[in-house]
Amino acid sequence: SQQGEEDPQALSIQEGENATMNCSYKTSINNLQWYRQNSGRGLVHLILIRSNEREKHSGRLRVTLDTSKKSSSLLITASRAADTASYFCATAALNQAGTALIFGKGTTLSVSS
Amino acid sequence: GAVVSQHPSRVICKSGTSVKIECRSLDFQATTMFWYRQFPKKSLMLMATSNEGSKATYEQGVEKDKFLINHASLTLSTLTVTSAHPEDSSFYICSARDLSTSGNTGELFFGEGSRLTVL
Repeated sequence: SQQGEEDPQALSIQEGENATMNCSYKTSINNLQWYRQNSGRGLVHLILIRSNEREKHSGRLRVTLDTSKKSSSLLITASRAADTASYFCATAALNQAGTALIFGKGTTLSVSS
Repeated sequence: GAVVSQHPSRVICKSGTSVKIECRSLDFQATTMFWYRQFPKKSLMLMATSNEGSKATYEQGVEKDKFLINHASLTLSTLTVTSAHPEDSSFYICSARDLSTSGNTGELFFGEGSRLTVL
């Protein structure tokens, strides 16, 4: 079953602009992760934020987590054409070790040069 | 990072035939692997959790006799779509965790996916 909802579903921006994607989820979580998927390919892990963390950075990526609102955001700064892909948030359920991740519906990002 | 290999990447078959998709962890052991299905422009839907040496755990609504999963070794899980029909056409993706680096709830490593087309 789907856990989260991302918005927007699609986002088109110019190179150099920032892209912000949001994710909401429903249940208590151990952590929240963001993945990227190029068209027709597998998923690649971008960043993981634990439930006791509020913000995390990795290169041009910034992730926030608000457990009170059950929401997260992914910010990509200074976007490049190569950032064009679909981005998914995924959650690992609390107290369920070894379980699969449940993915949101994803945001399709298109960065034009 | 850890590498998961999935094969074949594309397969076309006739209705009524069975298709086997392999998922291998190349540089780590995976006692558990996860199979997802993805429809065009949609998210990943968890189909089943594959457990080495025991039966797979299927998600609600997934037919276990239709989607046979075998996890015979610590590095290989297979998904067999039996008596395939056009509605089984989809993108199937496997994933696994390297417990030594990701723990029980961390990062998943994904195969490149298998696109199945049933004519």
